[in-house]
Amino acid sequence: EDKVVQSPLSLVVHEGDTVTLNCSYEVTNFRSLLWYKQEKKAPTFLFMLTSSGIEKKSGRLSSILDKKELFSILNITATQTGDSAIYLCAVWGTSYGKLTFGQGTILTVHP
Amino acid sequence: DVKVTQSSRYLVKRTGEKVFLECVQDMDHENMFWYRQDPGLGLRLIYFSYDVKMKEKGDIPEGYSVSREKKERFSLILESASTNQTSMYLCASSWEGRWETQYFGPGTRLLVL
Repeated sequence: EDKVVQSPLSLVVHEGDTVTLNCSYEVTNFRSLLWYKQEKKAPTFLFMLTSSGIEKKSGRLSSILDKKELFSILNITATQTGDSAIYLCAVWGTSYGKLTFGQGTILTVHP
Repeated sequence: DVKVTQSSRYLVKRTGEKVFLECVQDMDHENMFWYRQDPGLGLRLIYFSYDVKMKEKGDIPEGYSVSREKKERFSLILESASTNQTSMYLCASSWEGRWETQYFGPGTRLLVL
């Protein structure tokens, strides 16, 4: 059975801090790993990673995948209160039509 | 922009009631999904559909059924609601063959009393 574990489950920081969110996985026939951001509404897509060692970047957010060690990290630099959200990691493996999600990391950024 | 809408943001029902949650997408997506989201458990797939009238069970289909009579609409049905079905329900859709790039609706928070 495919499994995705995120850590930490929750994190409280102050504006300007840098945070690192972790996602480890056990998936048969890995195809891709995805990060989503969820505020008080629909999860929105951040990154899709398929290859090891290639950093994806969007503004202050970046992510990288290690297929040998089976994990990914999501970095957020110079955090802002608007970064407060649940960050979801999901993996697509063999299972037809199925993304396996982690528990999510709740990030709270205080002014 | 892809738009996925869900019929209600909040819903309160009583144990034993039949509950319908509706999801509509406007991008002609072939695939549609229903998830439930619970604290500490993440998103878990209930059912998905890859075409009209086609459906596949996800990880936790017990107590639920689905209907897809039209391509743009995917309904989740709780035949007899129970308190352990109190949860946030998220609908998503994607293009054929693009299972991984899913677009989510805003969610329905269901409370079963």
